[in-house]
Amino acid sequence: TQLLEQSPQFLSIQEGENLTVYCNSSSVFSSLQWYRQEPGEGPVLLVTVVTGGEVKKLKRLTFQFGDARKDSSLHITAAQPGDTGLYLCAGANAGGTSYGKLTFGQGTILTVHP
Amino acid sequence: EAQVTQNPRYLITVTGKKLTVTCSQNMNHEYMSWYRQDPGLGLRQIYYSMNVEVTDKGDVPEGYKVSRKEKRNFPLILESPSPNQTSLYFCASSLHSNYGYTFGSGTRLTVV
Repeated sequence: TQLLEQSPQFLSIQEGENLTVYCNSSSVFSSLQWYRQEPGEGPVLLVTVVTGGEVKKLKRLTFQFGDARKDSSLHITAAQPGDTGLYLCAGANAGGTSYGKLTFGQGTILTVHP
Repeated sequence: EAQVTQNPRYLITVTGKKLTVTCSQNMNHEYMSWYRQDPGLGLRQIYYSMNVEVTDKGDVPEGYKVSRKEKRNFPLILESPSPNQTSLYFCASSLHSNYGYTFGSGTRLTVV
């Protein structure tokens, strides 16, 4: 079973601060996906990174895929209360008999205080 | 509107009474998947499907069945539900597993 370790589990910060969430694994993934989930709703896809070393930016959010495609990070600059939510990383299988399988990290609950 | 529709949103049932949670997508996606979400355990994949008549087990398939007879539908069947299957269930679909998934709004199931 592939594992994706996400840290930290909880993050409570003040508006305007920067933060980074990490996802690490000993397994290689064909892509790493980041989602955000609001209470009572399904996860919503933020970004997918596919190439080792890839960096993608979405306004104040920066996503990076490790060179070996085993880890990823999400960096938020100048966090705002609207960024509050559960952030999830998910790794898609690199191939073999489990192609199509998606493994999620445990999630990071982010709270941004005004 | 492109979406994944799950029904019902809420369901309370008794142990052993067979039930089906439906999932339908209107995006012509090939990949579909079912997850359960439990506090402290995160999202865990139950079953996934790469195309019509092609399904495979995820991490927690015990006690569940699925079928993919048409591209748009991927129902989750609990033949004999037990209390440990009380959970929040999500269906999701994707054009390709690398592209990211669109999730439904969830089904909160309680088995008493």
